[in-house]
Amino acid sequence: GQQLNQSPQSMFIQEGEDVSMNCTSSSIFNTWLWYKQDPGEGPVLLIALYKAGELTSNGRLTAQFGITRKDSFLNISASIPSDVGIYFCAGQGAGTYKYIFGTGTRLKVLA
Amino acid sequence: EAQVTQNPRYLITVTGKKLTVTCSQNMNHEYMSWYRQDPGLGLRQIYYSMNVEVTDKGDVPEGYKVSRKEKRNFPLILESPSPNQTSLYFCASSLSTGGRGYTFGSGTRLTVV
Repeated sequence: GQQLNQSPQSMFIQEGEDVSMNCTSSSIFNTWLWYKQDPGEGPVLLIALYKAGELTSNGRLTAQFGITRKDSFLNISASIPSDVGIYFCAGQGAGTYKYIFGTGTRLKVLA
Repeated sequence: EAQVTQNPRYLITVTGKKLTVTCSQNMNHEYMSWYRQDPGLGLRQIYYSMNVEVTDKGDVPEGYKVSRKEKRNFPLILESPSPNQTSLYFCASSLSTGGRGYTFGSGTRLTVV
């Protein structure tokens, strides 16, 4: 089945640093979502994007729906230890209920 | 509280012994799905259901069965588990349009020895 290319696969950063990650697809999507998975838990929705070029923030998190509709970006500013986890992107194409998930970016924050 | 509830959270079993992982949601969602998560492979869909009595295969359905007899419940059945089914499993649900994404359960970590 199709999966999205998500990069980087993992990141080790110092507390206070900014983080950027992205997700690319060979298909056009109408909706992009970003999830975070804490250790031992299920993924939780962070940000939803519905329009090409859209930029949406949720606290220190900012995500963008790429203009080509084939990519999306997530930035985390001033990282803190509780940002640790796996971040997944997910895309939904036109006329479908199904979401395709990225392979995840594992983030570790060093205090 | 709106949620997806999976049981059990942890399960160790032996090869060939049938097991069922339960999933229940209290949001009146039409769509439910099962995923498995393996290192480096992300979330892969096993089966999904658009509504009661409507189920279909996802990307990795081999060795699994599901049923949807009630809207709120979507159990995952492993008739004859094998070690390659050792994984972290997630149940998810959404409204039929899926526009707000899925709500996930807390996961079931299954080990087959």
